[in-house]
Amino acid sequence: AQKITQTQPGMFVQEKEAVTLDCTYDTSDPSYGLFWYKQPSSGEMIFLIYQGSYDQQNATEGRYSLNFQKARKSANLVISASQLGDSAMYFCAMRVNNQGGKLIFGQGTELSVKP
Amino acid sequence: KAGVTQTPRYLIKTRGQQVTLSCSPISGHRSVSWYQQTPGQGLQFLFEYFSETQRNKGNFPGRFSGRQFSNSRSEMNVSTLELGDSALYLCASSIRLAGDSTGANVLTFGAGSRLTVL
Repeated sequence: AQKITQTQPGMFVQEKEAVTLDCTYDTSDPSYGLFWYKQPSSGEMIFLIYQGSYDQQNATEGRYSLNFQKARKSANLVISASQLGDSAMYFCAMRVNNQGGKLIFGQGTELSVKP
Repeated sequence: KAGVTQTPRYLIKTRGQQVTLSCSPISGHRSVSWYQQTPGQGLQFLFEYFSETQRNKGNFPGRFSGRQFSNSRSEMNVSTLELGDSALYLCASSIRLAGDSTGANVLTFGAGSRLTVL
């Protein structure tokens, strides 16, 4: 079964510190892509970062990096130098075998950044 | 560049009614996908349309349907509304290049339509 698991319902981090949001995935397909989205209280899902199953290096986008450990089937999101505006829900998602617009989402982690 | 536009943003319906939600994708994006988000079930894929054809479908009853027009705009319809249909309905568009084997085709989401069924 294809599944995304996010085990941290909520997390707190101090402003300017780094935080890691956990994500594990399950698929038997060798071709897949992993995504992280941010959802502020406004509701819009904002794309943060992408990692392909065949990518050799961990993806990075500004303050976001993805710690991809293929053997462990984990794709943790690392946010460096947290800002107050980072407070939001964060979702890990997977696309299997180029299934177009179909993403499988985890349950999300609510991140709160403290001043 | 305009983003994904969903209308209406909020609506209230009663059980048994039907509802139509609209999604205008980013210019040049030919794929539109729909998702339902509820506190209990999280984000679930409804269906995807590409070039006016349904390409993929999630595990939802036939009361949920959609279509796509020649300008890539999409609508989804829910008939005979139930209380459990109360949710945030999100639309996402992507380029979905033919032959894209990287899987990096990113979905850009709209702000959603929040449906309340009374």
